[in-house]
Amino acid sequence: AQSVTQPDIHITVSEGASLELRCNYSYGATPYLFWYVQSPGQGLQLLLKYFSGDTLVQGIKGFEAEFKRSQSSFNLRKPSVHWSDAAEYFCAVVRMDSSYKLIFGSGTRLLVRP
Amino acid sequence: GAGVSQSPSNKVTEKGKDVELRCDPISGHTALYWYRQSLGQGLEFLIYFQGNSAPDKSGLPSDRFSAERTGGSVSTLTIQRTQQEDSAVYLCASSALANSYNEQFFGPGTRLTVL
Repeated sequence: AQSVTQPDIHITVSEGASLELRCNYSYGATPYLFWYVQSPGQGLQLLLKYFSGDTLVQGIKGFEAEFKRSQSSFNLRKPSVHWSDAAEYFCAVVRMDSSYKLIFGSGTRLLVRP
Repeated sequence: GAGVSQSPSNKVTEKGKDVELRCDPISGHTALYWYRQSLGQGLEFLIYFQGNSAPDKSGLPSDRFSAERTGGSVSTLTIQRTQQEDSAVYLCASSALANSYNEQFFGPGTRLTVL
């Protein structure tokens, strides 16, 4: 069965520092992967997605993610974090059945130190 | 041209009461999903609608939960005889078509508190 693991529950970084949020997936074939961000009291916003092709994908707000099949990973990165990036981040994989529902990781809460 | 909207934004109810949560998807989107976000379970799929096809109810946690989608647009999620473990944020999402490529757009959610 497809699954997603986000091993870090909380991460704290200083403003201006670089960021990497980890995501590992379980799926036999090429997965379709997403990163969503949820700010307090808000719904989920798509940051970026990977379907195929170039393994380094660019998203909104300066985020990028790299798909590594050998490590079953899809880590999210940002070179310089801004205070407004404080939020919860979810990695997700599409369940490849007729519904294409999303299977989410447990999320990583990002705190940004001034 | 608005996004997905949900109402109410917050709902407080007493254990044993029934509640209805509403979702208005993006106009023209044929696929509609309900997810639940709770402290213990994270984000989990509940139910999916696509056009006139039979809904995928595989994520509904019990028979107290039901949902319908009228006219291929608005959807209502109903929870009967609410329990405290039903307390969660209920998120609705829609996409233009249910496939692996189409982004699901999420609404702001309804926070349900069962006392």
